[in-house]
Amino acid sequence: AQSVAQPEDQVNVAEGNPLTVKCTYSVSGNPYLFWYVQYPNRGLQFLLKYITGDNLVKGSYGFEAEFNKSQTSFHLKKPSALVSDSALYFCAVRLNTGFQKLVFGTGTRLLVSP
Amino acid sequence: SAVISQKPSRDICQRGTSLTIQCQVDSQVTMMFWYRQQPGQSLTLIATANQGSEATYESGFVIDKFPISRPNLTFSTLTVSNMSPEDSSIYLCSVPRAASPDTQYFGPGTRLTVL
Repeated sequence: AQSVAQPEDQVNVAEGNPLTVKCTYSVSGNPYLFWYVQYPNRGLQFLLKYITGDNLVKGSYGFEAEFNKSQTSFHLKKPSALVSDSALYFCAVRLNTGFQKLVFGTGTRLLVSP
Repeated sequence: SAVISQKPSRDICQRGTSLTIQCQVDSQVTMMFWYRQQPGQSLTLIATANQGSEATYESGFVIDKFPISRPNLTFSTLTVSNMSPEDSSIYLCSVPRAASPDTQYFGPGTRLTVL
């Protein structure tokens, strides 16, 4: 079955430090991978995606993600964390079906301390 | 990105009643998706709604419990029927955009609490 895994329930980082939120995937064929962020009491916001091309994908709010086929990973990164980055982050994979069904990871809560 | 609105934004309901959630998009889209996010959990797809056809439900979700309407290309409703406390969740609709069909954009969600 196609799936994504987020091994960390929570990531803590100090403001100004680099951050990494991990995601690994298991899919057949070429993966379509996504990162979304959810702020408290708000819906999901799209951050970035990997469909094809460069393994390093840049997205909104200074975030980027690196697609690593050999490690089946798609980790989210940011060089310098902000307190306002504190939120719930979801990795998702699009299934290779007729519909654009997304399967989400369990989410990782990012806490950036001042 | 798409402008997607949902009504209501939140509601508190009694068990045994039903609630209809509306999703409105600012442009025409072929597919709309309904997801559920239970407290502290990830998102799970309930069903895919295509205009002019019956919704396609995922395993574990049935039409009698979650009837969906899709009367036109900008609007859909999800009804949560005969509610129980286990239905307390955030319900979100999402759509792909014509300019970026590989990407789904989500509405703000409807936070439902069933007492």
